[in-house]
Amino acid sequence: GAVVSQHPSWVICKSGTSVKIECRSLDFQATTMFWYRQFPKQSLMLMATSNEGSKATYEQGVEKDKFLINHASLTLSTLTVTSAHPEDSSFYICSARVGRAGTGELFFGEGSRLTVL
Amino acid sequence: AQTVTQSQPEMSVQEAETVTLSCTYDTSENNYYLFWYKQPPSRQMILVIRQEAYKQQNATENRFSVNFQKAAKSFSLKISDSQLGDTAMYFCAFTPHNAGNMLTFGGGTRLMVKP
Repeated sequence: GAVVSQHPSWVICKSGTSVKIECRSLDFQATTMFWYRQFPKQSLMLMATSNEGSKATYEQGVEKDKFLINHASLTLSTLTVTSAHPEDSSFYICSARVGRAGTGELFFGEGSRLTVL
Repeated sequence: AQTVTQSQPEMSVQEAETVTLSCTYDTSENNYYLFWYKQPPSRQMILVIRQEAYKQQNATENRFSVNFQKAAKSFSLKISDSQLGDTAMYFCAFTPHNAGNMLTFGGGTRLMVKP
């Protein structure tokens, strides 16, 4: 299947710093990518939908100024956690759609674990 | 809004036996997709099986099959001949046909396959 890669897989940072997580589609072009957050032993919660060349659509309760999403190309979306705090520590997962909308085909990255000290 | 419910937080099964994971969902949509994803300890989400709501035939993928009951809004996953590598979190997920693949996940079921 299609490959989606995230980097870094694990990052530790000090409180107050900003962290950027990259999501790349390696062998296909993704006009739409999704960012999820997963707390330990919990399900995935959709944070935002990232659309190439336009602003991301954020889910209710997700601070757009806190979680900056940039989808500058058809193969790359980035999530920047600004002024990170310990409560932002979580597992962040991206997914990308293959093909046209409505086909239901999604592939996921390996996830990025963020630990804020 | 759609909701997906997995009523079994944890399950265990002996190697080579069969186990069924439950999933129910609530939606007013008529055309949609349902999925089962596996998340092993590596945390990589892997698509196990996919069902299109307009298809009455239950999807199967090797040892994995589903029991899709549209009227009851039920979508259970059956794993036959369980293997140790099946140990993982399993998430049921839903997306309406016109939602651009935006998935709503259930809470997950942790499956342990015992030798």
